[in-house]
Amino acid sequence: AQSVTQLDSQVPVFEEAPVELRCNYSSSVSVYLFWYVQYPNQGLQLLLKYLSGSTLVKGINGFEAEFNKSQTSFHLRKPSVHISDTAEYFCAVSYNTDKLIFGTGTRLQVFP
Amino acid sequence: DGGITQSPKYLFRKEGQNVTLSCEQNLNHDAMYWYRQDPGQGLRLIYYSQIVNDFQKGDIAEGYSVSREKKESFPLTVTSAQKNPTAFYLCATDRGGTGELFFGEGSRLTVL
Repeated sequence: AQSVTQLDSQVPVFEEAPVELRCNYSSSVSVYLFWYVQYPNQGLQLLLKYLSGSTLVKGINGFEAEFNKSQTSFHLRKPSVHISDTAEYFCAVSYNTDKLIFGTGTRLQVFP
Repeated sequence: DGGITQSPKYLFRKEGQNVTLSCEQNLNHDAMYWYRQDPGQGLRLIYYSQIVNDFQKGDIAEGYSVSREKKESFPLTVTSAQKNPTAFYLCATDRGGTGELFFGEGSRLTVL
């Protein structure tokens, strides 16, 4: 079965430090990849997406992610986090344009 | 502005009562979805609809019902048959082609 794995349920980090949130998916010929962010008691907002082309994708709020086909990964990175980045982050994959499959989420907690 | 409106944002109900959550969109998207979110479990698909007057069960449809009489509207009824209805419910739309979803702000249901 197709799946998405977010390896870390929680990631604590100090403000201005770099962060990487990991995401792996089961192999497929054709995938579209997404990262969403969710602030408390709100819906999900799209951070960035990979559809085709360059494997390095830049999104909003200074986040970026790299599509690595050989490792079946799509890790999210930010070189310097802010307190306001504290939120839940979801990786999602669409296989052959089918419905999105979501990971279980990673809670990013930024400390001053 | 185009968007997805969910109401109510917070809802309390007694055991044994049915409750209906509203989802309205003016994005002119064909597909609409309902997800349930519980802590540590990510998003689980309840129902989805790709066209008016048609809908399909998702992974956890038991105890829920939906209708799709208009393109703009996709209400979700949480019935008394749902054994553990307390959760955060998210409505989403899909403009087609890549699987990218657009989310409403969510409705938090608490059963007393």
